[in-house]
Amino acid sequence: QVRLVQSGAEVKKPGASVKVSCEISGYRFSAYFIQWVRQAPGQGLQWMGWMNPNTGDTNYAQKFQGRVTMTRDTSTSTAYMELSRLTSDDTAMYYCARDQHQDWFDPWGQGTLITVSS
Amino acid sequence: QSVLTQPPSVSGAPGQRVTISCTGSSSNIGAGYDVQWYQQLPGGPPKLLIHSNNNRPSGVPDRFSGSKSGTSASLAITGLQAEDETEYFCQSYDGSLNIYVFGTGTAVTVL
Repeated sequence: QVRLVQSGAEVKKPGASVKVSCEISGYRFSAYFIQWVRQAPGQGLQWMGWMNPNTGDTNYAQKFQGRVTMTRDTSTSTAYMELSRLTSDDTAMYYCARDQHQDWFDPWGQGTLITVSS
Repeated sequence: QSVLTQPPSVSGAPGQRVTISCTGSSSNIGAGYDVQWYQQLPGGPPKLLIHSNNNRPSGVPDRFSGSKSGTSASLAITGLQAEDETEYFCQSYDGSLNIYVFGTGTAVTVL
C-alpha cells in the first residue's frame, strides 16, 4: 500500500523557518518525483515545486524561489520541504504528493498545518 | 492566485447529474496539457478522481467522468449520492507560467 506520512503541525513566528517531512512507503522511493502543494485556510491549492528523489534535482515555483528548499534522505525514504522567512501569508496546510508522469499527483500525504503567528 | 476558473458551487438532487466546469486559457488547457480532477473531503487531502482528461483510477466509481474541449474541461457526476457532497478541484499545467495550476474549487451540494 502506497503511503505518504507527513510530520505534525507546527506553530512558527514570523521570520522563522519550518521543515516538513514526508515519509514514503509501499514503493521504491527513487522511482517517482515528489510534489509539494499548499492550501491556505479556506483557499485553493498552490503548487510549490517538485523534487526528484533519485538525483536530488528540484524545480521550484518562481513564487517560492529563494525561500524554499526540497531535499531527501534516501536511507529513510523521506522527502523534506523547508520554507524560510515565514510570514502570516504562509499559514497553510502543506501537502506532499507522489508525481505521476509529471502530470498528476497521487496519492497525497495527510497534510501538515503550519501556522505563522507572533 | 488560481489560474483555472470553476463555479463556486453546484447542486443537485440525489440521482441527478451535475457538471463542474474548469475554464483555462491557451497557455494551459488550450495548449493541450492534460486536466485532472480531485475530490477533497473536509479536513482531508485531495484524492485523484480523473487523470489525463477522462481516465478514472481503479476504485473510482464510474459515476465520475471527465471531458475536455478547447480551453475548458468538465467533470460530470451522474447518479448523485449524498457522499458526493464535498469540494472538487481541477488541475493542469501552464506552459507560460511553468507551473502546475489548480482550479478555484467547486462545492457540490446534494439537495
